[in-house]
Amino acid sequence: DSGVTQTPKHLITATGQRVTLRCSPRSGDLSVYWYQQSLDQGLQFLIQYYNGEERAKGNILERFSAQQFPDLHSELNLSSLELGDSALYFCASSDTSGGDAGELFFGEGSRLTVL
Amino acid sequence: AQKVTQAQTEISVVEKEDVTLDCVYETRDTTYYLFWYKQPPSGELVFLIRRNSFDEQNEISGRYSWNFQKSTSSFNFTITASQVVDSAVYFCALSEAEDNQGGKLIFGQGTELSVKP
Repeated sequence: DSGVTQTPKHLITATGQRVTLRCSPRSGDLSVYWYQQSLDQGLQFLIQYYNGEERAKGNILERFSAQQFPDLHSELNLSSLELGDSALYFCASSDTSGGDAGELFFGEGSRLTVL
Repeated sequence: AQKVTQAQTEISVVEKEDVTLDCVYETRDTTYYLFWYKQPPSGELVFLIRRNSFDEQNEISGRYSWNFQKSTSSFNFTITASQVVDSAVYFCALSEAEDNQGGKLIFGQGTELSVKP
């Protein structure tokens, strides 16, 4: 158990819809990262937040957005969903800000299926 | 540009065989970090090791060992006396420290290891 909690574990929705994925980091970790794992693209970094502020951005689509709340949990919002958004979405946390890459602790992922 | 290449898509071995998973990386940074993660069939990503670019010492942890060679930009992972429980997808990843991007991992495509009894 990594200590990172993601909900929901599975989600099935239709094209055009909007979903929200939630992540609670390990106790004490200030950084939260979102990754997408798909068959086509593999594991890709989406975005990082550190103590409520966006710290680094990867290949995140404009239809996707994220935020980190004062209690440090994070949400990834996916809108206008397309079939290609079907993937496993991982949240990870660490106790570093980003300059020094510490160990990332990954949650079990949220599997999104878009029909 | 940063890139991680795991040329072996799938490897199949029989229990107790030794197996090496290859990882080659590309980066322009002088300070960077290399990682290996394991993804068992259950789907979670399990951290195995982190190595910074200034530490080329090889590391051994039980049946696992890692060989880091900057001269060839490689960070290979060897499992000695493999076991069925080692069956998983293994990912090599790179993180660059410049511009505060240290937390952004660039993953290879993964190597699926199947250990048969």
